[in-house]
Amino acid sequence: AQSVTQLDSHVSVSEGTPVLLRCNYSSSYSPSLFWYVQHPNKGLQLLLKYTSAATLVKGINGFEAEFKKSETSFHLTKPSAHMSDAAEYFCVVSDRRFQKLVFGTGTRLLVSP
Amino acid sequence: GAGVSQSPSNKVTEKGKDVELRCDPISGHTALYWYRQRLGQGLEFLIYFQGNSAPDKSGLPSDRFSAERTGESVSTLTIQRTQQEDSAVYLCASTPGTGYEKLFFGSGTQLSVL
Repeated sequence: AQSVTQLDSHVSVSEGTPVLLRCNYSSSYSPSLFWYVQHPNKGLQLLLKYTSAATLVKGINGFEAEFKKSETSFHLTKPSAHMSDAAEYFCVVSDRRFQKLVFGTGTRLLVSP
Repeated sequence: GAGVSQSPSNKVTEKGKDVELRCDPISGHTALYWYRQRLGQGLEFLIYFQGNSAPDKSGLPSDRFSAERTGESVSTLTIQRTQQEDSAVYLCASTPGTGYEKLFFGSGTQLSVL
C-alpha cells in the first residue's frame, strides 16, 4: 500500500528566504505525487503534480518539487517566501491501480516579516 | 456555482444523533469524492462516485456511514448514531472526468460530536 510521510509538522521562514517542505513516499507501483495547499477557511488547491514525466515539476506561485526515486522523496521548494505562502501543505501519493489519493499529515508553513 | 460547495460549514451534534452533510460539486463534474480529515491527520478516503457507475465505498469506516448521489449532482453523506470519534472535517471534491488528479475541493464541514 502507498503511504507518504511529511517530515516536519511546522516550518518557519522569514519573508524572502527559501522554503523547503520535505516529503518521503512509499509505493508498490510507479507513483503519482502531488502537493496541495490549504489556506485558512479555503478548500484545498493543487500546487503541482508528478506523473512520470520530468522529475523536476514546476507549479503555481513559484513552487517546484523534484522527484528522486533513489531517495523516495518529493520535496517542495520555493526560492523566496512570500507572506501569502503561509498555509498548510499536503504531500499526496497515489497510483493508478488504486485510484485513491493518500494524504500526508501536512506541514504548516509560517512566514514572518 | 463557481466551486464545490459544502453545507453546513459547521455542525455540532450530540452522540447518538444522525447527521447529514451535503456537497454540491462543480456543474458537469462526473466524479465526486468524500474524504475525512481528523485533527492532525491526513485525509482518509471515504467514498468515490463516478457517473452512473456503482460507487467505491471501500473507505467507509463502518455501516453507520452511507452516501448517496443522484446522477452527477448533489451528494449527501449520512452518519447514523454519531460517535465522538466521528468528529472531523469532512471534505468533498469533484473532478471533470476519469482523471482523478485534479481535484477541486470544497471548504469542508467541521463536525463536532459531543
